[in-house]
Amino acid sequence: EAQVTQNPRYLITVTGKKLTVTCSQNMNHEYMSWYRQDPGLGLRQIYYSMNVEVTDKGDVPEGYKVSRKEKRNFPLILESPSPNQTSLYFCASRLGGISYEQYFGPGTRLTVT
Amino acid sequence: KNEVEQSPQNLTAQEGEFITINCSYSVGISALHWLQQHPGGGIVSLFMLSSGKKKHGRLIATINIQEKHSSLHITASHPRDSAVYICAVVLRGSQGNLIFGKGTKLSVKP
Repeated sequence: EAQVTQNPRYLITVTGKKLTVTCSQNMNHEYMSWYRQDPGLGLRQIYYSMNVEVTDKGDVPEGYKVSRKEKRNFPLILESPSPNQTSLYFCASRLGGISYEQYFGPGTRLTVT
Repeated sequence: KNEVEQSPQNLTAQEGEFITINCSYSVGISALHWLQQHPGGGIVSLFMLSSGKKKHGRLIATINIQEKHSSLHITASHPRDSAVYICAVVLRGSQGNLIFGKGTKLSVKP
């Protein structure tokens, strides 16, 4: 089954404790991205990747890192999480080029205390 | 001013009613998505369109590129249609990045 998976689905952590949210897709998609969703602000892009080893900042990249060492994986790294990073996070992928059909992961609800 | 505006923000309907959700945008686009998000759930793509009209079951999406406007219609609404509906545009000339509306929360009462 074609899908985007994220882990963990739920995470409660403390300020400053490094964490990684994994994202994986099995559709051989070139383009992957991370979004956060906050009440009243909607979805905003954090980072995206056009292909392996090619990443770029979205609208709200501060406090986040990403890497794209393999085509299927695009982890989101919070080196020193803060409470303002409490949010619902979605990973998404698409084939690339002018193929704009997006596939979203199930979401990761992160709480930073 | 937001680049993608949706209306209404909240919508309550009775089962069976015809529902329309609107999306207006102020930027040049390559395509437009309608997404559905159930409470506590993930995001599902309902439609992607760049012109005209698409239909899937009871859902219809239209877009008018000249007027920079799209609508999502639900015919014979049902309580299981209760969800947040999100309009997202692919910014023309970008890497295919999305700009999202803030969503329309639909509640269909039995």
